Amino acid sequence: EAGVAQSPRYKIIEKRQSVAFWCNPISGHATLYWYQQILGQGPKLLIQFQNNGVVDDSQLPKDRFSAERLKGVDSTLKIQPAKLEDSAVYLCASSLGLMARADTQYFGPGTRLTVL
Amino acid sequence: KQEVTQIPAALSVPEGENLVLNCSFTDSAIYNLQWFRQDPGKGLTSLLLIQSSQREQTSGRLNASLDKSSGRSTLYIAASQPGDSATYLCAVVTQGGSEKLVFGKGTKLTVNP
Repeated sequence: EAGVAQSPRYKIIEKRQSVAFWCNPISGHATLYWYQQILGQGPKLLIQFQNNGVVDDSQLPKDRFSAERLKGVDSTLKIQPAKLEDSAVYLCASSLGLMARADTQYFGPGTRLTVL
Repeated sequence: KQEVTQIPAALSVPEGENLVLNCSFTDSAIYNLQWFRQDPGKGLTSLLLIQSSQREQTSGRLNASLDKSSGRSTLYIAASQPGDSATYLCAVVTQGGSEKLVFGKGTKLTVNP
C-alpha cells in the first residue's frame, strides 16, 4: 500500500513570497490533515478535511494560509505572503475513517519550508 | 485547553538498556493516546494507540501504559537498539470540540552502540 505522498520535500523562499504544498493521501482515506511542525515542537493541526469538507481550521492563520481538497482526494496548502515565522515542516496525514478518536493517522514525509 | 508534556526532552542510553519515556496531559477527558516515532527528515510513524478504556498496549519490544485519571502515560522500550534512535512523540485526542491530536514536544532518544 502506497503511503502519503507530499511535494516538494524542500522549499526555500524569501519573505512575502508565495508557496504551495501538495499532498496525496492513501487511497480511500476519508480524512486528511495538515500540520505545522516548528523546530523543537510537536506538530500543530492547521486544518482537517473530511472528504471535501473542512472539519476544523481553527488554528489556520486565514489571513495568509489557505487549503483545499480537490474532489475529496488530493490537497494543496498555500501560504501567501510568507513570513519568517512560517519556517517549519508541513506534514500531511490521512486516516481511513471519520473519527480521530478511533483511527490511526498515517503521515507523509513532510515539506521543509525555509523563509529568508 | 489540553497541554501535553514529555519528559525528558532528550535521553542517551547504551545499547541493551531498558528505558521509559514519560508523557503527561492536563485534561483527562480523552478518547485515546498515541505514541509516534519520528526519524530525521521523515514523517511520523504510529507505534501504539491506547483507547481511553484500555490500560496498556504492547507491540514487540514496546509497551505503552495509560493512567487516564492521573493524566499520565509511559512508553517502555525493552532491550534498546541503535535503530531505536529517534524522537518519540505522545499525542492525545480530547473529548469535546473537534477531535484533533494534540502533541507533546517529544523526547529525542539516542541509543549508543
